[in-house]
Amino acid sequence: GAGVSQSPRYKVAKRGQDVALRCDPISGHVSLFWYQQALGQGPEFLTYFQNEAQLDKSGLPSDRFFAERPEGSVSTLKIQRTQQEDSAVYLCASSLAGANTEAFFGQGTRLTVV
Amino acid sequence: AQTVTQSQPEMSVQEAETVTLSCTYDTSESDYYLFWYKQPPSRQMILVIRQEAYKQQNATENRFSVNFQKAAKSFSLKISDSQLGDAAMYFCAYLPGWGGGADGLTFGKGTHLIIQP
Repeated sequence: GAGVSQSPRYKVAKRGQDVALRCDPISGHVSLFWYQQALGQGPEFLTYFQNEAQLDKSGLPSDRFFAERPEGSVSTLKIQRTQQEDSAVYLCASSLAGANTEAFFGQGTRLTVV
Repeated sequence: AQTVTQSQPEMSVQEAETVTLSCTYDTSESDYYLFWYKQPPSRQMILVIRQEAYKQQNATENRFSVNFQKAAKSFSLKISDSQLGDAAMYFCAYLPGWGGGADGLTFGKGTHLIIQP
């Protein structure tokens, strides 16, 4: 596709419900990142994939958060037993590879846990 | 750990005027990259400008330029001839140079830029 696509744009979940957020990176992009952006804050790093390998998951806030990228393209961020503090915008970014390549962001998924 | 600080929660400027957004960072590394991103209400982060720490020359992209002071760990963004379309949240971000891009960006809390017509 022309850009990074995320779905859904908005998600309302009841506390305790499981959710899955999808990211379609730009075709051919090796690197994929997930960020969490709380209201009024800057994005915070969650996890990084290089192709299908999850090389860094140090930013995942708890074991309720799980991310995968099984074929090295589409990625899914899953949150189990959602809590109110999980309410945030979840941003996905992709890049070709390397620190000197630009990261392109999607429009994010706004998750509201009620 | 690296930290990025944006001390101006909100800035306001008249259309066609110049505004400077401040950013300071803390790192023990010598090789890194600095970025300014724009986030409009659509939420999509858009890269405005980037600076490699090893380059002494300040980056410039049309109306956008930076003042990179490596010793002071300061990285401010100057927007000249402000336009209504510049209104957005602006985030300063840091990326270590040794990770090959594998590390995520560290962002500041952002500055809300308002353009007065």
